[in-house]
Amino acid sequence: AQSVAQPEDQVNVAEGNPLTVKCTYSVSGNPYLFWYVQYPNRGLQFLLKYITGDNLVKGSYGFEAEFNKSQTSFHLKKPSALVSDSALYFCAVRDGGTDKLIFGTGTRLQVFP
Amino acid sequence: EAGVAQSPRYKIIEKRQSVAFWCNPISGHATLYWYQQILGQGPKLLIQFQNNGVVDDSQLPKDRFSAERLKGVDSTLKIQPAKLEDSAVYLCASTENRAGELFFGEGSRLTVL
Repeated sequence: AQSVAQPEDQVNVAEGNPLTVKCTYSVSGNPYLFWYVQYPNRGLQFLLKYITGDNLVKGSYGFEAEFNKSQTSFHLKKPSALVSDSALYFCAVRDGGTDKLIFGTGTRLQVFP
Repeated sequence: EAGVAQSPRYKIIEKRQSVAFWCNPISGHATLYWYQQILGQGPKLLIQFQNNGVVDDSQLPKDRFSAERLKGVDSTLKIQPAKLEDSAVYLCASTENRAGELFFGEGSRLTVL
């Protein structure tokens, strides 16, 4: 069965510093990996995805993520955090053999001025 | 391009009452999902439609929840009778294909008293 884990409930970072939000996954087939962001009282917004190809994926708002097959990880990164990046971030995985998209429990990112 | 539309945005009901949520996906998106997001948790898939057929409803509490997607476009999710633990945000999403990202609506927040 497919699953995804976000080991940190919250990540705190100072504005201007790099940030990393961690995600590991488990699937039986080829993984399709996604990151979403959720602002208060809003739906989820797509940030980026990995389907195949280059392991480093670039997405919206300066975010990027690195697919690591050996470590079954897909960590979200940004070189320089902004206060406006403060939100709830969800990693999601879809087993390439199905259409089912499973979400992690979410990581709250807090960027301090 | 219009996004995923959901209504109502907010609903407060007493336990044992019924409620219905409506979703209109992005035009042309064959796959539609309903997720339940309880406060502090990641979205949990309730049901997935491909056109007007059900692909996965393994986590739908069928004794009280029902969903339909007539004509393969709009969808409704119904809860009858509601329980206190059904208090959550109900998110509707659609996608064009299995490699594509999901597009989410703003969600319908249900409070059961």
